[in-house]
Amino acid sequence: RKEVEQDPGPFNVPEGATVAFNCTYSNSASQSFFWYRQDCRKEPKLLMSVYSSGNEDGRFTAQLNRASQYISLLIRDSKLSDSATYLCVVNADTGTASKLTFGTGTRLQVTL
Amino acid sequence: DGGITQSPKYLFRKEGQNVTLSCEQNLNHDAMYWYRQDPGQGLRLIYYSQIVNDFQKGDIAEGYSVSREKKESFPLTVTSAQKNPTAFYLCASSHRGRPASNQPQHFGDGTRLSIL
Repeated sequence: RKEVEQDPGPFNVPEGATVAFNCTYSNSASQSFFWYRQDCRKEPKLLMSVYSSGNEDGRFTAQLNRASQYISLLIRDSKLSDSATYLCVVNADTGTASKLTFGTGTRLQVTL
Repeated sequence: DGGITQSPKYLFRKEGQNVTLSCEQNLNHDAMYWYRQDPGQGLRLIYYSQIVNDFQKGDIAEGYSVSREKKESFPLTVTSAQKNPTAFYLCASSHRGRPASNQPQHFGDGTRLSIL
């Protein structure tokens, strides 16, 4: 079983739609969680951290369920510019190091 | 502007050759990391360094070497022992917080390495 699993997609949605991505992780000791966005042939960029109480940043909402080891990202009112691959990232603190484990990503294509 | 600079953007390696990828940051981050990304796979950690003159192996360190002589710089050498070096290499950096895991990592724009 992969440490971080995501549906690879692609998710093809019309502009203005709401889309949700899911992610599960296997290491119950994981302590922090992030969503990164990666455009084609570019570096990943931090989209948002994910907090236990859930958090929102504009059109983006992230949720964490520690009991189910499940993370989600909701994008409302999708824009063409949201087209990218969304990476679920989990961090297990070893005490002295920050070790990120990346999912393979979910590709989103927003169309007119 | 603060950021992470990787060079070169594209690199070609001949058989039996060692090549070095550069990574420099001016974010005053203590920790630096190297990842490789292959098509259809997530990023995998090669090496990381929490402080100057110290570094640890990641999940796929074989065939690679690093040094951390300065806080700003963390070069990666892909040696001839790495038999499948073709990949997208990404350098990242972060603050050292407590806990370390709460510090997000910020990435350079990557180096694409190919075999000639």
